[in-house]
Amino acid sequence: DVKVTQSSRYLVKRTGEKVFLECVQDMDHENMFWYRQDPGLGLRLIYFSYDVKMKEKGDIPEGYSVSREKKERFSLILESASTNQTSMYLCASSPDRVSTDTQYFGPGTRLTVL
Amino acid sequence: AQTVTQSQPEMSVQEAETVTLSCTYDTSESDYYLFWYKQPPSRQMILVIRQEAYKQQNATENRFSVNFQKAAKSFSLKISDSQLGDAAMYFCACGSEKLVFGKGTKLTVNP
Repeated sequence: DVKVTQSSRYLVKRTGEKVFLECVQDMDHENMFWYRQDPGLGLRLIYFSYDVKMKEKGDIPEGYSVSREKKERFSLILESASTNQTSMYLCASSPDRVSTDTQYFGPGTRLTVL
Repeated sequence: AQTVTQSQPEMSVQEAETVTLSCTYDTSESDYYLFWYKQPPSRQMILVIRQEAYKQQNATENRFSVNFQKAAKSFSLKISDSQLGDAAMYFCACGSEKLVFGKGTKLTVNP
């Protein structure tokens, strides 16, 4: 079974702090994604990556950056956290870029910025 | 730009009955895929069913089936013989290189 893990289930940070959210997948997937999930808004894509050291902006990249130094790990970085970044963050991975394959999701990190 | 619309924020169904969740989408892509994902309370998002847009035959997965109407850009999910474990948020998604998700439908299953 594909396993996607996220470093924390719950995280509380203060405004202005630098925040790192980590995601690891164990199935040698090419693609990795970061979404945020808000009630009434569904899932919105922040960033995605097709390969190591590659990244593409999603629909809402402002205020975020990402890092993919190893194939299995995709990090989401909030350079200076703000209260409007309080949300559930979901990481996902999928096998390859050739076609839109099933995305496998992690358990999510619920981030609260005070 | 792609859009996905789920017009039913909440739905309820009696156990053992059938329920249909609606989804419409808009895309300029000629080759795309459609998905239904399920997110149980406090649990991970999992795939329910997947449909390639170039296939006319509706996808089926046990008690879950879709009604794919390509011309109408409609992709509804039918759950037959509903079970208590089907209670969850259901998200419709459409995409080619990346997915766009709808806002979700919360399904309640009443015993």
